[in-house]
Formats: sequence, C-alpha cells, structure tokens
Amino acid sequence: DQQVKQNSPSLSVQEGRISILNCDYTNSMFDYFLWYKKYPAEGPTFLISISSIKDKNEDGRFTVFLNKSAKHLSLHIVPSQPGDSAVYFCAASAVPGGSEKLVFGKGMKLTVNP
Amino acid sequence: EPEVTQTPSHQVTQMGQEVILRCVPISNHLYFYWYRQILGQKVEFLVSFYNNEISEKSEIFDDQFSVERPDGSNFTLKIRSTKLEDSAMYFCASSLIAGVTDTQYFGPGTRLTVL
Repeated sequence: DQQVKQNSPSLSVQEGRISILNCDYTNSMFDYFLWYKKYPAEGPTFLISISSIKDKNEDGRFTVFLNKSAKHLSLHIVPSQPGDSAVYFCAASAVPGGSEKLVFGKGMKLTVNP
Repeated sequence: EPEVTQTPSHQVTQMGQEVILRCVPISNHLYFYWYRQILGQKVEFLVSFYNNEISEKSEIFDDQFSVERPDGSNFTLKIRSTKLEDSAMYFCASSLIAGVTDTQYFGPGTRLTVL
C-alpha cells in the first residue's frame, strides 16, 4: 500500500547545482505534505512543509512545489551543498480526514559531490 | 533548541522478552507518536497519543504493543513479547498540536534487535 511514492532511490548532483526530489501520492485526502531529511543514526529532521491550499513554499535554499491535480510534489534545493547529502523522505497527512499520522515514502538518498 | 530524546539508543533482546522503549518529547508538546522503520523499508506509523489515551493506531500496533505516559515527561512504548520481525528502528515524535500547520519532531531512534 504505497500511498506516498518516491520512485527514485538515489540522486547525485554537483555542489552548487539544483537538486530536484520528486514525490507522488495516491490518497486524495492528503492535505499537508512535509519533507524530512535523515542522516545515518539520526531521526528524521523536519525540513519544509506545504499545505494543500498552496502550490509553493520557500524557505531559504529549499522550495517545495505542489501540483494537486497531478498528485505530485517536488523539493528543490538550490544551490546544493555537500552537507545536504542525506536521505530525504516525503510525508503526507490527512488531518481533516481525522488522521494525525504521517505516511512516508521510502526515501531518496541525495549525494552532493564537492 | 528543544529536541525529542530517546533511550536506549540500541536494545538487544531475546525473542519472547518484553522491552520498553523510552522517549522524552519536547516539553510543551501535547501529541506523541511512535513510528518504526524496518531496515531497508519506509518509516511506518504505529500509534498516536493525546490526552492520556491512544488517538489513532495502525494495524501493526496489535495487542503486543502498548504506550504510556507515566509522568509529565516520559512517553513509553512497550512490546510485551518480542518477535524477530519487531527488529527495527523505533522513532518517537511529538507535536504541539495536530493540524494542517503542525510539524512532528522526531527523536534519534532506538534500534531494537530481537534475537
């Protein structure tokens, strides 16, 4: 039951370039989307979120885009830095549907090469 | 910056034994969660807890699992009789409120190994 899908397991980019991480979802009840970053031996760290009433949210080098009609969101990191190398998880929730839980994708490993 | 803490970082136990995983959520948070990640798989929701009772649980959270907030700071996950397939990273999370603008903050995890 893959309600949140991150179809690419890994991405490698050069320092200074743009990283684009993609996520698709199937549950139309999802209305809040988050990106988490995870380093080895640590818990997921919140990065950025977006509500379904928006199509874009920006925080410094990180921008999340939401396309509700396509049930697709993406995370852009510009410029990418070596410290951004981590596993990135897309997550979604459907709070107005009565659920507080986060549904995670499988994650994507980003490697930023110096 | 306030953070969620978890103890122990690694727990090894024999199949059939009881384990208790401990978490200290961020102090002013009101909602508490447990998630787990089996090696190589995605992070999965187990249970959410608010106002001293379970508010939501997944199908994974069967009668072998229980949660408790024994005092004003700790939040625990008990597995009554561990199975080999319970081996995973267990993450505790907390949030101030549950809502479209809220964020869940995760602890570093406890790696549970069942032998």
